[in-house]
Amino acid sequence: KAGVTQTPRYLIKTRGQQVTLSCSPISGHRSVSWYQQTPGQGLQFLFEYFSETQRNKGNFPGRFSGRQFSNSRSEMNVSTLELGDSALYLCASSLRPGHSYEQYFGPGTRLTVT
Amino acid sequence: SQQGEEDPQALSIQEGENATMNCSYKTSINNLQWYRQNSGRGLVHLILIRSNEREKHSGRLRVTLDTSKKSSSLLITASRAADTASYFCATDDEHGNKLVFGAGTILRVKS
Repeated sequence: KAGVTQTPRYLIKTRGQQVTLSCSPISGHRSVSWYQQTPGQGLQFLFEYFSETQRNKGNFPGRFSGRQFSNSRSEMNVSTLELGDSALYLCASSLRPGHSYEQYFGPGTRLTVT
Repeated sequence: SQQGEEDPQALSIQEGENATMNCSYKTSINNLQWYRQNSGRGLVHLILIRSNEREKHSGRLRVTLDTSKKSSSLLITASRAADTASYFCATDDEHGNKLVFGAGTILRVKS
């Protein structure tokens, strides 16, 4: 079974621009969560989607948004990029919603904002 | 804010030795998970232990959970160079709404 895939793997953007990251979960997984990882803040939860609905959202500004499609693929968007948005963005999928189950992570998208 | 805090922050051992990492958390949990991350890549799930379990094994990994002390430990026996990675504990937050990760322990296994 193919793992979680994320595209693109690397991205360089300029302050003020916007970016869209994509995540394809493991086949059959309907729950997708997004995390931001930085050296200073560590791994932080962004949001979780299940059956095209956002179930939970972390403590991030409204510039961070996401959505999930009927095939469970998910995208996250960051508008008006700031230097502090430079991070590794990780997507994880799970069979069931919530966080009492094993999460399968993708390789991440490394975003650099200049 | 972080729910789990790992200790030590970094650990360096020789191949064949055992490695023990500890995790403490603040509020009651439903479960605690351990993940491994190699050099800024995706996380790999190692073990999930539920709040009503005290110990769990998986190959060379042994996890214990003490809910009275709000702590967990991960033991890797007979370590290998390939075990070099960052290890994170993660718990569901007090509302069960999200997975909260600790800062991680960087393990280096020297061959």
